[in-house]
Amino acid sequence: AAGVIQSPRHLIKEKRETATLKCYPIPRHDTVYWYQQGPGQDPQFLISFYEKMQSDKGSIPDRFSAQQFSDYHSELNMSSLELGDSALYFCASSLRGATGELFFGEGSRLTVL
Amino acid sequence: DAKTTQPPSMDCAEGRAANLPCNHSTISGNEYVYWYRQIHSQGPQYIIHGLKNNETNEMASLIITEDRKSSTLILPHATLRDTAVYYCIVRVTIQGGSEKLVFGKGTKLTVNP
Repeated sequence: AAGVIQSPRHLIKEKRETATLKCYPIPRHDTVYWYQQGPGQDPQFLISFYEKMQSDKGSIPDRFSAQQFSDYHSELNMSSLELGDSALYFCASSLRGATGELFFGEGSRLTVL
Repeated sequence: DAKTTQPPSMDCAEGRAANLPCNHSTISGNEYVYWYRQIHSQGPQYIIHGLKNNETNEMASLIITEDRKSSTLILPHATLRDTAVYYCIVRVTIQGGSEKLVFGKGTKLTVNP
C-alpha cells in the first residue's frame, strides 16, 4: 500500500540559508500534518492543513511557512535557518471522518551547519 | 500540552508480554486514547486506539479502565523488534475536525534477549 512520501530524506544547509521539504500524502487523504523532532526530543506539532486550508498551528517559527497544494501534497519552507532547526521533520496524513489514524512518513533529516 | 503520563522506561524479556501503562485522568468523554510507537528515528507508527471498550488487533491489545482515567497497552509476545518509544496520546479535537496528535514523553521499551 502507498505510504506518505517525504523528500528529500536528508538535507544539509548553512546558517541563514533556506530549505524546502515536500510531503506527498497517502492517496485520497485530505489532511496533512507537519512535526519537528529535535535530537532526543519528542515530535512537536508544527502545522496542519485540511483541503488546502490551514487547519491548526502549533509551535511553528515565523521563519517557517507551509502550504498544501491542489494535488494535496504539502511543502514546508524554512528560511533564515538556525543551528537549532536541525531536526527530523515528519509529515503525516489522514482522512477526515475515517477511523482517525495519522500515517507518518519516514521523515526528512535537516542538518544546519 | 500532552494529557498523558507514562513511565519513562520499561524492560521486557523476549517472548513475554509487555504491559505499558498510561494515565489520562483528565480525558474527556469524547476523546479517544491512541497508541503509537517510534522505532529509532523512524516515523511514528500507529498501533491501536479505543474509546472505552477494550480493543485488540494484530499488533496489540488495549485495556481501558472503566473510569477511562488510565489504560494499558499489551504486546502479548514481545520481540526484539518491539524495542521502541511508545506514546500514549489522547486525541485532541480542534475546530474543523482535523485532529492533531500531541506527543508526550512516551515510554522507552527495551526488549531483552
